[in-house]
Amino acid sequence: KQEVTQIPAALSVPEGENLVLNCSFTDSAIYNLQWFRQDPGKGLTSLLLIQSSQREQTSGRLNASLDKSSGRSTLYIAASQPGDSATYLCAVGVGNNDMRFGAGTRLTVKP
Amino acid sequence: NAGVTQTPKFQVLKTGQSMTLQCAQDMNHNSMYWYRQDPGMGLRLIYYSASEGTTDKGEVPNGYNVSRLNKREFSLRLESAAPSQTSVYFCASSAGPRAVHEQFFGPGTRLTVL
Repeated sequence: KQEVTQIPAALSVPEGENLVLNCSFTDSAIYNLQWFRQDPGKGLTSLLLIQSSQREQTSGRLNASLDKSSGRSTLYIAASQPGDSATYLCAVGVGNNDMRFGAGTRLTVKP
Repeated sequence: NAGVTQTPKFQVLKTGQSMTLQCAQDMNHNSMYWYRQDPGMGLRLIYYSASEGTTDKGEVPNGYNVSRLNKREFSLRLESAAPSQTSVYFCASSAGPRAVHEQFFGPGTRLTVL
């Protein structure tokens, strides 16, 4: 069974710092990996989708990488801002139209 | 273009009461999903509908029923609510299978069962 883990559960950084969020998964047979942002009391917003054949995707200050063989993905946020404060979740697409979510990393960017 | 909408936003029920959560999408997506999110856990799939006219169980279907009313609407029903069903419920949609296609989420329904 696919297990998705995000460590740490919470992270606090000063404004302007570059940071990396981690996502690991136990089964490398995935279709894709998706990163989401969730603001308090809100739904999930899709940030980046990496297909299994890709190694990375970029959107603005965000860069997500995928290493299937090691079962890892990282979300890199450049020049962090207080507005980046949110919970970031990763999810992997697996067989039988299934997706498994991590529990998320709660990020706080201090002014 | 509203994306995925859900009603109600908040609900408090007593044990044994029933209710229906409504979801609609305006992106002409084939697939729709119902998830629940509990503190410290990832989202768990309750039911999904791969296409209009079909529904299938997810990881945690017990205590729930669903109806894919048409291509736009997918409802979740709690027949006899239990405190263990206190959670935040999210509806989502995708153009095709969620393992392959990007998912879009609604704002959620916060349900408390007393």
